[in-house]
Amino acid sequence: DQQVKQNSPSLSVQEGRISILNCDYTNSMFDYFLWYKKYPAEGPTFLISISSIKDKNEDGRFTVFLNKSAKHLSLHIVPSQPGDSAVYFCAARVANFGNEKLTFGTGTRLTIIP
Amino acid sequence: SQTIHQWPATLVQPVGSPLSLECTVEGTSNPNLYWYRQAAGRGLQLLFYSVGIGQISSEVPQNLSASRPQDRQFILSSKKLLLSDSGFYLCAWTRAGTGKGYGYTFGSGTRLTVV
Repeated sequence: DQQVKQNSPSLSVQEGRISILNCDYTNSMFDYFLWYKKYPAEGPTFLISISSIKDKNEDGRFTVFLNKSAKHLSLHIVPSQPGDSAVYFCAARVANFGNEKLTFGTGTRLTIIP
Repeated sequence: SQTIHQWPATLVQPVGSPLSLECTVEGTSNPNLYWYRQAAGRGLQLLFYSVGIGQISSEVPQNLSASRPQDRQFILSSKKLLLSDSGFYLCAWTRAGTGKGYGYTFGSGTRLTVV
C-alpha cells in the first residue's frame, strides 16, 4: 500500500518559470511532510518541510503548500534554475514515542530547460 | 558536527554470494538508524530501522538482514544475494525525538549490482 504518492514521474520546466511538484498521501497520522532532492549516485538531501498544522512554508525560492482536507501537498520552485534539475522525493513522517519513520514517494524527475 | 559514512560506494557481486554493507555515524549518540533501497525506477523503500543497539525492525520481508552491534554502527547483510537485490542502498540517521520534522540525513549510498 503506497501511502505517499507522486503521480508524475517526470516534469520539464523552462528556466525562470515556476516548477510545481505534487504529492498525495493517505495516512492521517503523518505529522510532518518533507521534500528531498536527489542527484544521481548521491544520497537525498533535505530541502524543506511543513508541519501538519500549517498550510504553507517558504524558504527562499522554495514553498511547500499543504491541503490537509485533500491530503495533498505541493512544492513550488520559483524561479526555476538549471541546478534544480534532480529527482524530488516527497516524504511523510510518523513519530511514536520519540521514534520517527519516513515514508517516501516514488519521486519526480525535474528537468529545467535552459 | 555529525557525519554519516557508508561504504563501499559501488559493489558488483555474483548471485548467491554474501553481502555486508556498513554505515557509521559520528558526532552524535543513540541515533535512530535506517536502511533504504532505491530500485531502478522506484522510490525509496524502507528496509530496516533501529532505535538502539541490538534493536532492529524489519519493514519488508526478504533475504536481507540488519544488525546494530554498536551505538553508531549499522550493518546490512545477506547470506545469498538474488538478482532482485540490485539497487542503490542508502543509510540514514536522525536524532530521536527532535520534533522538528527535519527528517533524516542520508549517506552517499552504495550501488549494488548482482550479476
